[in-house]
Amino acid sequence: ELKVEQNPLFLSMQEGKNYTIYCNYSTTSDRLYWYRQDPGKSLESLFVLLSNGAVKQEGRLMASLDTKARLSTLHITAAVHDLSATYFCAVDIGGSARQLTFGSGTQLTVLP
Amino acid sequence: GAGVSQSPSNKVTEKGKDVELRCDPISGHTALYWYRQRLGQGLEFLIYFQGNSAPDKSGLPSDRFSAERTGESVSTLTIQRTQQEDSAVYLCASSLYRISNQPQHFGDGTRLSIL
Repeated sequence: ELKVEQNPLFLSMQEGKNYTIYCNYSTTSDRLYWYRQDPGKSLESLFVLLSNGAVKQEGRLMASLDTKARLSTLHITAAVHDLSATYFCAVDIGGSARQLTFGSGTQLTVLP
Repeated sequence: GAGVSQSPSNKVTEKGKDVELRCDPISGHTALYWYRQRLGQGLEFLIYFQGNSAPDKSGLPSDRFSAERTGESVSTLTIQRTQQEDSAVYLCASSLYRISNQPQHFGDGTRLSIL
C-alpha cells in the first residue's frame, strides 16, 4: 500500500523567510503533484512533476522531485501572507486506476 | 465557467437518510474521480471512472456507497442510510486520460453534514 507522508504538518513562518516542505512516498513513482487548498475551497493545481530531477518554479514556490529517494520538496522563498494555505502532495503510481494518493497536507501560516 | 461543477455545495441531513451528490466534469475529460476529505485531513480516494470501462470501486468504504456515470458525462455519488462518520467534504475531479502531464481538476466539493 502506498503511503505518502508530508512534514511538517503545521508550519508558521514570518514573512520574508524561506522554508521547505517535504513529501516522502513509499512506492516507486515518477509522477507527483502539488496542490494548494485555501480554507473552505477546493484544490488548485500548483505543479506537475513527471520525472526524476524535475524542477518547477512559479513565483516564490519551487518544487522538485527525486524519484530515487522517493522525495519531493516544495521550497518557499521570501514568504508572503498570500501563501498561507494548506499544501498537499499527491502521488500517482500509475496502472489502470490513475487515482492519486494524497499526503495529509501541510498547513502553512505566514505571519506579518 | 469550464471547471468541474458539483452540487449541492452543502447538504445537511439526518442520520439514516440517503443522499445523492452530483458532479459535472470538464467537457472532454474522460476520467472522473470521487474523493472524500474529512476535516483537517488529506483526500481519500473513493471511486474512478474512465470512459465506458468498468469503474475502479476499490476506495468505497462500504456497500452503502455507490456511484454511477453515464459515458463521459455527469456522475452521481449516492450514500445510503447515512451515518455520522460520513460527514465530510466530497470532492470530484476530472482529467484527460493517458495524458499524464495534466493534473486532476477539482470541483469545489459538497460539504455533507449528518446530524
